[in-house]
Amino acid sequence: DSGVTQTPKHLITATGQRVTLRCSPRSGDLSVYWYQQSLDQGLQFLIQYYNGEERAKGNILERFSAQQFPDLHSELNLSSLELGDSALYFCASSVAPDSYEQYFGPGTRLTVT
Amino acid sequence: GENVEQHPSTLSVQEGDSAVIKCTYSDSASNYFPWYKQELGKGPQLIIDIRSNVGEKKDQRIAVTLNKTAKHFSLHITETQPEDSAVYFCAASGPNSGYALNFGKGTSLLVTP
Repeated sequence: DSGVTQTPKHLITATGQRVTLRCSPRSGDLSVYWYQQSLDQGLQFLIQYYNGEERAKGNILERFSAQQFPDLHSELNLSSLELGDSALYFCASSVAPDSYEQYFGPGTRLTVT
Repeated sequence: GENVEQHPSTLSVQEGDSAVIKCTYSDSASNYFPWYKQELGKGPQLIIDIRSNVGEKKDQRIAVTLNKTAKHFSLHITETQPEDSAVYFCAASGPNSGYALNFGKGTSLLVTP
C-alpha cells in the first residue's frame, strides 16, 4: 500500500458525460501528478500540482482539468467524454515537485460506453 | 520532449534464471531513472531507482545500471521467482519534463516454475 488513495475504483459512464476522479496524496506529500494508462498510449503524464498550484502540463486534453485543494487532495475532471477516454487514471504523489520519488495510487478504471 | 524506449515487450524465464530489461532515453538532461512493477489490477509500484551521478545500484535480487554516455539503463533481476511475474516499466525524469515521469511501454515478465 503506497498511502495514495483514489476514488472511485471503477466508473462507467456514457459518451458526452462529465466525471470527477479524486485523489488523496500520501501524508506529508505536497505534490500530486495525474497519469493516464491505455493500451495504445501506455502510461502518459497529464498534469502536476504542488501546494495548490499547477506546476507542469503533459498530454492533457482541453476537455480535462484538475485542481488541488487546501487539504492537498486533488480532483481530475473529465468532460464531454468520448469512447477513447476509457482508460486507467492514476494519481501519484511526491514530497515536493522536484523530489523524484513518485508513489502511485491504485487507480480509477474509467469505461465510457 | 523525452522519449523512452523499452525492450523486450515480453520476457519469459524459468524460475531461478535472471531477467534483464533495457531502456534508452533521448533527453540528456534527464537525471532520474526509476523502475516500476505493476501487477494486475494495481497501480505501479516503485521497486528501484537510480540517479545520474551513480552507475549501478542494487537491492537484494534487483539491480539497475546506467550508462549516461549511451543514454541507456537496465533492470536486472536475479534468481527469479513466480511472484516476480508482472509488467515492469522504466521511466526517465528531469528538469526538462518538470520532473514528471516519461515511461517506456512496459515489459511483461513471466516466470514459470
